[in-house]
Parts: sequence; structure tokens; C-alpha cells
Amino acid sequence: SQELEQSPQSLIVQEGKNLTINCTSSKTLYGLYWYKQKYGEGLIFLMMLQKGGEEKSHEKITAKLDEKKQQSSLHITASQPSHAGIYLCGADGFMEYGNKLVFGAGTILRVKS
Amino acid sequence: KAGVTQTPRYLIKTRGQQVTLSCSPISGHRSVSWYQQTPGQGLQFLFEYFSETQRNKGNFPGRFSGRQFSNSRSEMNVSTLELGDSALYLCASSLGAGREQYFGPGTRLTVT
Repeated sequence: SQELEQSPQSLIVQEGKNLTINCTSSKTLYGLYWYKQKYGEGLIFLMMLQKGGEEKSHEKITAKLDEKKQQSSLHITASQPSHAGIYLCGADGFMEYGNKLVFGAGTILRVKS
Repeated sequence: KAGVTQTPRYLIKTRGQQVTLSCSPISGHRSVSWYQQTPGQGLQFLFEYFSETQRNKGNFPGRFSGRQFSNSRSEMNVSTLELGDSALYLCASSLGAGREQYFGPGTRLTVT
């Protein structure tokens, strides 16, 4: 089965600092999703990456998928308290057609103001 | 467009009872997937429905079942509830395979 490792497990940063969260797969990624979750709530879609070397940005958040398609990173520039939450990466269950995501354990981000 | 909606938002049930959760996808989305989130196991895939057919199934016991209606709304049912079924149940909708999946706010189920 496909496993996703996220690092770090948790992160505390000072407001205004940059940070990076990593997501590593044991197998080739064919669709990699990044979501943000506030505790006990639903997941907010951030970005989806499919091609090796692909990079997408939304506001101050940038996500990249490496050329080998086994690692993705999420970078936040000039963090703000509104960025606090749990960041989850998810990958398509590539052995089966359809929508079946496997998720990492998540990275808890706290932003100190 | 309205987002994915789930009802009810909170539910308290007793062991042995059964429960039905509902999910209304984004208009035009025909794929609905269900996930269970617990502190110990994280987010786990339950099943996916597309055009009223179950297309994928996760590793959950047969007590967990679902269905999808012709308007793409989906329900999941859990019979003979166990304490371990306490979790946040999330559904996600999508236009199709390999497309962005958008999640609802979830239903928090507590089994006592």
C-alpha cells in the first residue's frame, strides 16, 4: 500500500517567518493534494499537483512536486496567524481507478504573533 | 456554487444502534467519497460512489455501507455501532477520477 510521510509533525513559527512542510511517498505520486484543516472541521482544498516538477501558488502558499514525483513540499511565505491549522497531504490510490485518497498524518502549524 | 454539505453535523448514539449520515455534493459533481478521521488512525478512506455505483472500497467491516442516489447525494450507514466508531466522518465530492476533491464540514459521531 502507498504510504505518505509528512514532516515535521508539528511546527511553531513566529509570525512573518517562512516555513516548509514536506510530504514523501514510498511510491510514485500520480496526484498529490494539499489540504488545510482546522481542528474538528472539514478539509479546505489548497492545491493539486500531478506533473513532475510542477509548482503552484495561491496567495502566500506554494506547493511543488519533485521531478521524480515522490516528494512534495508546501512553503508558506511570511506566515500569519490565519495560516495556523493542520496541513495534510493526500495521494491518489494509483492502483485503483477512481477517487481514493491516502493521507499523511498531518503537520500541526502554530503561528505566534 | 454551494459547497459540499453534510447532515447532521453532530450525532450521539449508543452502542448497538445504527446511524445514517448524509452528504450533498457540489452541483455537477458525480463522485462522492467518504472518509473516517480519528486521532489514532488519521484519515482513512471508506468508499467512493460514482453514478450510483460503488467504485472503490476501503478496509472497513461490512457494518459500514453506503449508497448514492440519482441526484448524486450520498448516504452512509453504520450498523451495530461500536465505541471505536466514534469519529469525524467526512465526505468529498469531485467531477471525476483524478480531479480535485472538495470536502464537507463533516459529521462528528460519538458512540457511548
